[in-house]
Amino acid sequence: NAGVTQTPKFQVLKTGQSMTLQCAQDMNHNSMYWYRQDPGMGLRLIYYSASEGTTDKGEVPNGYNVSRLNKREFSLRLESAAPSQTSVYFCASSPGVYRGNYGYTFGSGTRLTVV
Amino acid sequence: DQQVKQNSPSLSVQEGRISILNCDYTNSMFDYFLWYKKYPAEGPTFLISISSIKDKNEDGRFTVFLNKSAKHLSLHIVPSQPGDSAVYFCAASGETSGSRLTFGEGTQLTVNP
Repeated sequence: NAGVTQTPKFQVLKTGQSMTLQCAQDMNHNSMYWYRQDPGMGLRLIYYSASEGTTDKGEVPNGYNVSRLNKREFSLRLESAAPSQTSVYFCASSPGVYRGNYGYTFGSGTRLTVV
Repeated sequence: DQQVKQNSPSLSVQEGRISILNCDYTNSMFDYFLWYKKYPAEGPTFLISISSIKDKNEDGRFTVFLNKSAKHLSLHIVPSQPGDSAVYFCAASGETSGSRLTFGEGTQLTVNP
């Protein structure tokens, strides 16, 4: 009954370092998403994958790359971290085709600090 | 261009009273609206939704009202309970956005015992 699992939960990076945030879902969902949450800004879409094998940019893609490894897994990579990327990152998944009443299922988040 | 706006960053109410959270949108192509609730150190969880063909949807203590002409929706919680204290996000989607949701900034609700 895991839903959406994100790792790690916390991370501190130095400016210029790289890292990959991992996300996996076990609900056989087609679509997966990466959001960032910043104070006063709400949740902003970074990248999404409507289905296995496809990825597209969201509102704030600069500085990030993604990989839809298979239907279960969707990773977010920061190639050269900047202090502006300090944020809480959420992965989410949805059935995709049917928006329905249940929308997304979110992971518990990764709190990233870039110093 | 903030297409979904929640103009009140915070709201404080007494236990047992009504909480009203508001949300405005600008994109007339949005046809499905959702509310999510978020506790600290957790991901947002789905609360309630409404289709644009309706003007009201009720689920227990939670009711969402949609005014399409004003591009405005609201979430009513009656009666409010201390466990309702959380950040509430309004979200919207439309045919052109597929399954993508556009979120508002969030409103921190505090229910005082």
